[in-house]
Amino acid sequence: EPEVTQTPSHQVTQMGQEVILRCVPISNHLYFYWYRQILGQKVEFLVSFYNNEISEKSEIFDDQFSVERPDGSNFTLKIRSTKLEDSAMYFCASTGARGQPQHFGDGTRLSIL
Amino acid sequence: GQQVMQIPQYQHVQEGEDFTTYCNSSTTLSNIQWYKQRPGGHPVFLIQLVKSGEVKKQKRLTFQFGEAKKNSSLHITATQTTDVGTYFCADPYSGGGADGLTFGKGTHLIIQP
Repeated sequence: EPEVTQTPSHQVTQMGQEVILRCVPISNHLYFYWYRQILGQKVEFLVSFYNNEISEKSEIFDDQFSVERPDGSNFTLKIRSTKLEDSAMYFCASTGARGQPQHFGDGTRLSIL
Repeated sequence: GQQVMQIPQYQHVQEGEDFTTYCNSSTTLSNIQWYKQRPGGHPVFLIQLVKSGEVKKQKRLTFQFGEAKKNSSLHITATQTTDVGTYFCADPYSGGGADGLTFGKGTHLIIQP
């Protein structure tokens, strides 16, 4: 069964540095998402991406964050000037149609020191 | 913003006992999705409910959607250790855009053998 893949599985970064989290969505999917889950808390929506542009973003997704689909397969989340509170699990998800079930990757655990 | 409230936050049961989690929304939902997240894992789609009063079953799991489409429940009969995890309900039409999921806080199911 097709999967969403994310790399790296764990990223450790000094506060203030930039990180790029990478995702390869399922190949025939059209909608792509990033979510964040702080340890022990619920999954929070960050941003959705469709037709090569941001479709929707949450209050969390401020100027510190950006997304890109640099080629036909990768979908990236960039976090600039990381802060301690950015430490969380970041999940990428994709789906083939609006409102349909989303398929999640295994996540990237981001640890900011 | 739109929220889905979920109770209880934690549920301890003896193996073999039943388990129920409840999800409530302040607004009418177009549909609702349920996801399971194993400890250390990523959310995995379980089911989507669309119709008012809909009931769907997956083996020992029974999902219901309220008549007013403002609440939903997940019931597990005769829990097994493989049922351990966090169960989230999610609204797939949170912001009117490309539908980032609005998750409830989840119910952590803990099973004592």
